[in-house]
Amino acid sequence: DQQVKQNSPSLSVQEGRISILNCDYTNSMFDYFLWYKKYPAEGPTFLISISSIKDKNEDGRFTVFLNKSAKHLSLHIVPSQPGDSAVYFCAASYNAGNNRKLIWGLGTSLGVNP
Amino acid sequence: NAGVMQNPRHLVRRRGQEARLRCSPMKGHSHVYWYRQLPEEGLKFMVYLQKENIIDESGMPKERFSAEFPKEGPSILRIQQVVRGDSAAYFCASSPSGHGANVLTFGAGSRLTVL
Repeated sequence: DQQVKQNSPSLSVQEGRISILNCDYTNSMFDYFLWYKKYPAEGPTFLISISSIKDKNEDGRFTVFLNKSAKHLSLHIVPSQPGDSAVYFCAASYNAGNNRKLIWGLGTSLGVNP
Repeated sequence: NAGVMQNPRHLVRRRGQEARLRCSPMKGHSHVYWYRQLPEEGLKFMVYLQKENIIDESGMPKERFSAEFPKEGPSILRIQQVVRGDSAAYFCASSPSGHGANVLTFGAGSRLTVL
């Protein structure tokens, strides 16, 4: 049972257009959400995050939106560039006693065409 | 300021052999996490360690797998009597404090192939 779901395994967009990557979650205890980007043969790198007390966080071309009532978050990349082609992982965390748990989605592979 | 260093990057073992994967966290980071990525799957948490302590090993298979993070030296993920199903990319990450809200810095991964 995936607590963090990225329902689109892949996405293809044209350079200059907007990329929208979606993530749904089921656990209402999640209070912090992160997006990581991963290139082939490399480890994931942190991209952007959002606390559950906010509904939007923006960093340059990247914006994350959080809809708590729908248990849904999305990552917007605008304008998309060929270098954005990578796998994007959504992750969510919550307090689990004396430890925080971080749960990952399966990833969405984004291809940006020149 | 080197990032998270993992070695070896690639490791080939025959069934029944042992695999040892090493991870040196970023300077100043005292928390280490091991993840596994099987082909066509996402990242699966295995174990979370601080120096000399295992904090959370809920994602680690009960048999054949062990992890340590000694006072001196890198963290080691050890897989005994490897089987083909252990073939995967193993990622190590580190953070200055605990999981979750703090950003994890990942290494480039160690790719294990079991023949």
